[in-house]
Amino acid sequence: TQLLEQSPQFLSIQEGENLTVYCNSSSVFSSLQWYRQEPGEGPVLLVTVVTGGEVKKLKRLTFQFGDARKDSSLHITAAQPGDTGLYLCAGDWTNAGKSTFGDGTTLTVKP
Amino acid sequence: NAGVTQTPKFQVLKTGQSMTLQCAQDMNHEYMSWYRQDPGMGLRLIHYSVGAGITDQGEVPNGYNVSRSTTEDFPLRLLSAAPSQTSVYFCASSIQAGWQPQHFGDGTRLSIL
Repeated sequence: TQLLEQSPQFLSIQEGENLTVYCNSSSVFSSLQWYRQEPGEGPVLLVTVVTGGEVKKLKRLTFQFGDARKDSSLHITAAQPGDTGLYLCAGDWTNAGKSTFGDGTTLTVKP
Repeated sequence: NAGVTQTPKFQVLKTGQSMTLQCAQDMNHEYMSWYRQDPGMGLRLIHYSVGAGITDQGEVPNGYNVSRSTTEDFPLRLLSAAPSQTSVYFCASSIQAGWQPQHFGDGTRLSIL
């Protein structure tokens, strides 16, 4: 079983602060996805990265894919209470459908 | 457009009972999957299917069966429920396997007593 390690597990910050969460593996991904999940709902896709060194921006969220395609990060600028949720990364090593999820980062943004 | 629909939303079973969790998608997606999510953890892949008539095991398949007779439906069967199977179950679909985004249902919350 391939492992995806996410850090930190929990993060509690004040509105307006910046934060970064990480997703790491010892294996090379063919693709990696970031999802956000709210209580009582299924995960919702934020972004997919497939190319080493790739950087994608989604409003205040910046996603980076490591050059070696073994790690990724999610940076949120000026966090807002609406950003509160569970952030999950998911990697597919084989491109054949066996995605592995990390255990997630639970983010709380206090007003 | 309903997306991915899971039924039931909640279920309580006794140890040893069997049941089927239903999953249907109306997006004509080839790939479908089942995950379980335990408290404080991410999603673990139970079974997946890359098309009608094709299924394969994921990370934690023991105690579960699946079939894919149509593109739209992908039911998950618990053969003999055990307390360790208490979890939230999510079904997902995507256009195809790999880097395509997965669309998730809202989950089935299952308790085994």
